[in-house]
Amino acid sequence: GAVVSQHPSRVICKSGTSVKIECRSLDFQATTMFWYRQFPKKSLMLMATSNEGSKATYEQGVEKDKFLINHASLTLSTLTVTSAHPEDSSFYICSAKPGLAGEGQYFGPGTRLTVT
Amino acid sequence: AQSVAQPEDQVNVAEGNPLTVKCTYSVSGNPYLFWYVQYPNRGLQFLLKYITGDNLVKGSYGFEAEFNKSQTSFHLKKPSALVSDSALYFCAVRAPNSGYSTLTFGKGTMLLVSP
Repeated sequence: GAVVSQHPSRVICKSGTSVKIECRSLDFQATTMFWYRQFPKKSLMLMATSNEGSKATYEQGVEKDKFLINHASLTLSTLTVTSAHPEDSSFYICSAKPGLAGEGQYFGPGTRLTVT
Repeated sequence: AQSVAQPEDQVNVAEGNPLTVKCTYSVSGNPYLFWYVQYPNRGLQFLLKYITGDNLVKGSYGFEAEFNKSQTSFHLKKPSALVSDSALYFCAVRAPNSGYSTLTFGKGTMLLVSP
């Protein structure tokens, strides 16, 4: 089946630094990738949608300058949390979707970010 | 706007008993419906989907779900629960007004299966 990987799986960083999270579709081309944030025992909150080669579309309330998303190729998207603060600590999950509307989304294993 | 409701925060069931995790949706037009499972500190795993065709959909690990258009429901079921089924379950929907591109999740239901 379709596999999506994320790297790193866990990261701890100091407040004020930036952290980059990679999301890769390993065996298919993802025309669209999604970034979600999940708080403990909460549903997934869609942060942004990115299409390869174009700017990401951010959901309302998500700061574009803080959460930089780059979808440079059909198999790679990156999320950079800039000037991280403790309140950015969360579980970040990416998802990739092939081109067909009926296809499911395939989710990465998630990245646990802890900002100290 | 599309939305998904999972009315139960938690479902408790004994191993070997049937289980049901409820999901209702609200969309304009014909929905695409999905169930995902999440184990602790892991991403989501796809269980099953309904796009069109038979209302009863069979998926991974013995799970199934029935699409009921009149009740706008897509409840997840399994005839005999296993302790290993304990996890967080999410129902999700895609709607035509978003070009079927945006997946909207319910808040999740924690399933606890006791031995």
